Amino acid sequence: DIQMTQSPSSLSASVGDRLTITCRASQSIRSYLNWYQQKPGKAPNLLIHDASRLQSGVPSRFSGSGSGTDFTLTISSLQPEDFATYYCQQSYSSPATFGQGTKLEIK
Amino acid sequence: QVQLQESGPGLVKPSETLSLTCTVSGYSISSDYYWGWIRQPPGKRLEWIGSFYHSGSPYYNPSLKSRVTISVDTSKNQFSLKLSSVTAADTAVYYCASVTGWNFHHWGQGTLVTVS
Repeated sequence: DIQMTQSPSSLSASVGDRLTITCRASQSIRSYLNWYQQKPGKAPNLLIHDASRLQSGVPSRFSGSGSGTDFTLTISSLQPEDFATYYCQQSYSSPATFGQGTKLEIK
Repeated sequence: QVQLQESGPGLVKPSETLSLTCTVSGYSISSDYYWGWIRQPPGKRLEWIGSFYHSGSPYYNPSLKSRVTISVDTSKNQFSLKLSSVTAADTAVYYCASVTGWNFHHWGQGTLVTVS
């Protein structure tokens, strides 16, 4: 199985901050990388697929980049509704696997 | 709009079989999407369980394959999950979802199943 590792595991930030979360795959997954946002008690929500393609309806302050083994999710200006846990997921091969999550908290 | 809803017992005894059903509304499961199950143990990462296409055989995570069965009832627009010989390690929130490629698009709200 392809192992997905995110950093950091948790992060404190303020409204208006720009921040970046990284995700590393244990082998090359080309651009087959998704990002999800999960709020407490809710299901994950697909934000970005294929490393950089924004899902319909997702605000443009979210962006993704990377290929191969290293990927980033950037939020350009944090909004109150962005405080949540973010997961990466490789969509390159079976079984699909997820990172351990990055919990974003208000500073 | 595609909506999914999980249902089933919230408490299962060790060594018994966990059974859940996902009811899909707003879209026919006989159409273009694949469908699948994902779970999330408390405080842990998400884990893909298995997926299927309505006209094909289901495929499973090798780590669970010996204990998992996914079946579909197109007449009810539902699909089901059975996980046998459960232990406390199977305690999790179980989600059903629509899938394209390996992208999980629409999710149910999730249902907590406790093994105890």
